[in-house]
Amino acid sequence: RKEVEQDPGPFNVPEGATVAFNCTYSNSASQSFFWYRQDCRKEPKLLMSVYSSGNEDGRFTAQLNRASQYISLLIRDSKLSDSATYLCVVTNYGGATNKLIFGTGTLLAVQP
Amino acid sequence: DAEITQSPRHKITETGRQVTLACHQTWNHNNMFWYRQDLGHGLRLIHYSYGVQDTNKGEVSDGYSVSRSNTEDLPLTLESAASSQTSVYFCASSPRLNNEQFFGPGTRLTVL
Repeated sequence: RKEVEQDPGPFNVPEGATVAFNCTYSNSASQSFFWYRQDCRKEPKLLMSVYSSGNEDGRFTAQLNRASQYISLLIRDSKLSDSATYLCVVTNYGGATNKLIFGTGTLLAVQP
Repeated sequence: DAEITQSPRHKITETGRQVTLACHQTWNHNNMFWYRQDLGHGLRLIHYSYGVQDTNKGEVSDGYSVSRSNTEDLPLTLESAASSQTSVYFCASSPRLNNEQFFGPGTRLTVL
């Protein structure tokens, strides 16, 4: 089982739609959680961190459910510019190997 | 402005050749990382460093080496390039462990 699993998509949605991505992680000791965005043939960039209480940044809302070990990202009022791959990322503490674990990403295509 | 750069951006080489990919950051971050990204696998950690003279193996380190002689640079060397090492390589840095990582623009390597 992969440490971080995401639905690869693609999610094809019309402009203005609301879309949600889920991500599950296997290590219950994971401490930090992030959503990164990656445009085609570009580097990943941090979209938002995910806090236990949930957090919102404009049209984007991230939620964390530790009991079920999943993270979600909700995008409201989708824009064409939201088309990208969204990477779920968790951080595992463990010895000297504190590092980010990346999911394979979910592809979002917003259609006009 | 502080930044992270990679060179070359594109490289074609032959099987068996030694190849070095450069990574340079001007943020003075102690933590630096090398990833490869392949379809279906997402980002996989090759090597990482927590400071000068510190290097550590990631999950896919076979056939790769790094050195850290200063804070700014973490070159990645493929000792004897293999076709299986055809990939997109990303370098990243972060100011603190388990925190946001800032990625370079990537190097697209083709091994023929």
